Amino acid sequence: AQSVTQPDIHITVSEGASLELRCNYSYGATPYLFWYVQSPGQGLQLLLKYFSGDTLVQGIKGFEAEFKRSQSSFNLRKPSVHWSDAAEYFCAVGAVRSQGNLIFGKGTKLSVKP
Amino acid sequence: NAGVTQTPKFRILKIGQSMTLQCTQDMNHNYMYWYRQDPGMGLKLIYYSVGAGITDKGEVPNGYNVSRSTTEDFPLRLELAAPSQTSVYFCASIQAGGNYEQYFGPGTRLTVT
Repeated sequence: AQSVTQPDIHITVSEGASLELRCNYSYGATPYLFWYVQSPGQGLQLLLKYFSGDTLVQGIKGFEAEFKRSQSSFNLRKPSVHWSDAAEYFCAVGAVRSQGNLIFGKGTKLSVKP
Repeated sequence: NAGVTQTPKFRILKIGQSMTLQCTQDMNHNYMYWYRQDPGMGLKLIYYSVGAGITDKGEVPNGYNVSRSTTEDFPLRLELAAPSQTSVYFCASIQAGGNYEQYFGPGTRLTVT
């Protein structure tokens, strides 16, 4: 079955510390992968996406993610977290022939300590 | 470009009432989607459309209906509201054949009591 797992429901990091949010997927076809961010009361904003090519992708706000096919993972990283990064983060997976339909993980809520 | 717009932002319904959530996009996107978001559950696809006149069910379609008479609009109809439909609803769109990035609206927060 197709699925996306974000193992961490809630993560707290100190401002300035590094961050890694985990995402594992199970998908029959060659996937394309997304990370979205949602601030409280807001819609979802795309951070970055992977379709093909270089497995390390750069996104907005200093985020990056690495696609590891052998591990079925697409982890999100940031070297130094800012207080404004506090939000909920969603990993999503789809495929070219899926009519654009995405499967979302349940999200990881990030809190940032001063 | 306004992108994807949704109205209303908030709504409280009584059990058994009906309402339509509006979604409009001005990017000439072919594909449009309706999701619901419940706490700790991520986003679940309700219905989607690949073009005017074409709609299909997603993962959680029960209790909802959609129509797509124009490229721009994709309204979601709740006929007999139930407490289980209390949720935040998001509309999204993409341009088919593009990079499949979904553009999201700001959401409608619906409470059924």
